[in-house]
Amino acid sequence: GENVEQHPSTLSVQEGDSAVIKCTYSDSASNYFPWYKQELGKRPQLIIDIRSNVGEKKDQRIAVTLNKTAKHFSLHITETQPEDSAVYFCAALADNQGGKLIFGQGTELSVKP
Amino acid sequence: KAGVTQTPRYLIKTRGQQVTLSCSPISGHRSVSWYQQTPGQGLQFLFEYFSETQRNKGNFPGRFSGRQFSNSRSEMNVSTLELGDSALYLCASKETTSSGGELFFGEGSRLTVL
Repeated sequence: GENVEQHPSTLSVQEGDSAVIKCTYSDSASNYFPWYKQELGKRPQLIIDIRSNVGEKKDQRIAVTLNKTAKHFSLHITETQPEDSAVYFCAALADNQGGKLIFGQGTELSVKP
Repeated sequence: KAGVTQTPRYLIKTRGQQVTLSCSPISGHRSVSWYQQTPGQGLQFLFEYFSETQRNKGNFPGRFSGRQFSNSRSEMNVSTLELGDSALYLCASKETTSSGGELFFGEGSRLTVL
């Protein structure tokens, strides 16, 4: 079955710096890769997603890149702000797997003012 | 629309007991998935229900079970509780069971097993 590895587990940056979180997946059938943000004590919420037919997607300060050949995808946050502090989860989903998202272990991002 | 609602929010049980958690999806959402969240293991998929049928299942023992009702509400049950079952149990819904699409999570049921 699918396995998703996420690095780093913790990341600390200064406000205004960029942050990059990387994930690798094992199942070549995976074709949907969302990123969820979970603030302390809150529910996970989707912040951006990408499908396998696209190499990059951007939404304001966040972007995701996908390398299908290498089976890895990354989240990039530019001009980080304290409110970006949260745990970020990457995930992968294969076709015909419905809601069976396989999540990475999470990255705790801390943005210091 | 109301979001995904989970009850109870907190509960404490002892080893050997059983527990039932409830999830009401967003109106119109027919797919309901359950995840176990622990500090060390992250979010782990338990199972997914669609139209009252279990569509996918994760790698959890048979003590973990679930069901879905005709109104799409779902319940999960854990029997013979173990200390390691202490976790936040998250329910998530989506409109269909097709690949992709946003999962909307509830706030979770935090289970503590003593």
